[in-house]
Amino acid sequence: NAGVTQTPKFQVLKTGQSMTLQCAQDMNHEYMSWYRQDPGMGLRLIHYSVGAGITDQGEVPNGYNVSRSTTEDFPLRLLSAAPSQTSVYFCASSYSPTGGSRSNEQFFGPGTRLTVL
Amino acid sequence: GIQVEQSPPDLILQEGANSTLRCNFSDSVNNLQWFHQNPWGQLINLFYIPSGTKQNGRLSATTVATERYSLLYISSSQTTDSGVYFCAVDNTNAGKSTFGDGTTLTVKP
Repeated sequence: NAGVTQTPKFQVLKTGQSMTLQCAQDMNHEYMSWYRQDPGMGLRLIHYSVGAGITDQGEVPNGYNVSRSTTEDFPLRLLSAAPSQTSVYFCASSYSPTGGSRSNEQFFGPGTRLTVL
Repeated sequence: GIQVEQSPPDLILQEGANSTLRCNFSDSVNNLQWFHQNPWGQLINLFYIPSGTKQNGRLSATTVATERYSLLYISSSQTTDSGVYFCAVDNTNAGKSTFGDGTTLTVKP
């Protein structure tokens, strides 16, 4: 299993550009979520999904869109990049209905380091 | 929403020393995890421990859910233990973790 994969690893954008951060998981997890991590801080939740076709906002959703058309994929779209969106973005997945006592354990991808100039 | 506080914020140790990191949370939780973020930024799962005690080599963790805290013990620390340790909790059962601000551990040779 590859676990949770994210592409790209690094990205530089100019203010106003749009882009999509990709996230995929091969663990048959129901839940997926996006977080951002700013320097010296913990991770903050942007958007999350409890299943295909279902998404909702987290703590810091402004400027980001998500969709969940399949169980495996959960892309994050930046509509019009701003310097305040410079951060490291992590995707996570969790919850396998057949996973037993650790079925809610959350697994994270390697992150995407985004710089907006 | 739920609040998570980690202490201490920074910790400097000599190799071989022991340490205890603390995580306090403001409400009952369904899930609690400890992560190690290595110098390359990768989040490593250490423990999934909503309650009870677990051990994995030199690391162990205890969560006292009724008193809303968790402890991570590191014994005989090594330089490779350096990095940031995060506690993350979820009281929603929807994969929505709330993270503390972390404890930055530096282990000197």
